[in-house]
Amino acid sequence: EVQLVQSGAEVKKPGESLRISCQGSGFSFSSFWINWVRQMPGKGLEWMGRIDPSDSDTNYSPSFRGHVTFSADRSISSVYLQWSSLKASDTAMYYCSRHEVRMDAFDIWGQGTMVIVSS
Amino acid sequence: DIQMTQSPSSLSASVGDRVTITCRASQYISTYLNWYQQKPGKAPKLLIYGVSTLQSGVPSRFSGSGSGTDFTLTISSLQPEDFATYCCLQTYIIPWTFGQGTKVEIK
Repeated sequence: EVQLVQSGAEVKKPGESLRISCQGSGFSFSSFWINWVRQMPGKGLEWMGRIDPSDSDTNYSPSFRGHVTFSADRSISSVYLQWSSLKASDTAMYYCSRHEVRMDAFDIWGQGTMVIVSS
Repeated sequence: DIQMTQSPSSLSASVGDRVTITCRASQYISTYLNWYQQKPGKAPKLLIYGVSTLQSGVPSRFSGSGSGTDFTLTISSLQPEDFATYCCLQTYIIPWTFGQGTKVEIK
């Protein structure tokens, strides 16, 4: 089965660091860009950026550049989203999704990772 | 950044109704327009890519049209499982941008 499986929910304090993961299976992971998408509580979807697991090339949305970091470990078909200093405003659901180039669409999505940042 | 404006932001409809949702881009995006369905507590699901191509497994009551800057998602006969939030996404120019979503509720 083609799928993306994300790490579990996290509860953190402001200023703490965090890394969440997204692992692919059932497809050639390094052949697809992986996107990160944020959804704040009760709000719409926001594209954060993407990473190419084959060489860790990245594109960041200007809204997120400098606040988050994408990384990849192709040996275990995984990509990561990392914060060095969380803010309360980072509280959100985070999704990874596969970019299918032939469709130019996000065709496979992870189940989401809920991040709660609260003192 | 390209702004994607959806309308309406919400609508109430009955089973069997024809529903139309529009998405307008702030600039030309060719046919790089996708539609997604999201149900509460679930990840988004790809419905349509390239303006009008149905993703595998998506019922034929869903259709998409448009080009350039104006796009439409139509549900020809609303079914109980279609009550959800729908949003568009442009993949023409990075940063890719989503519409704000349209919530389809039961009348």
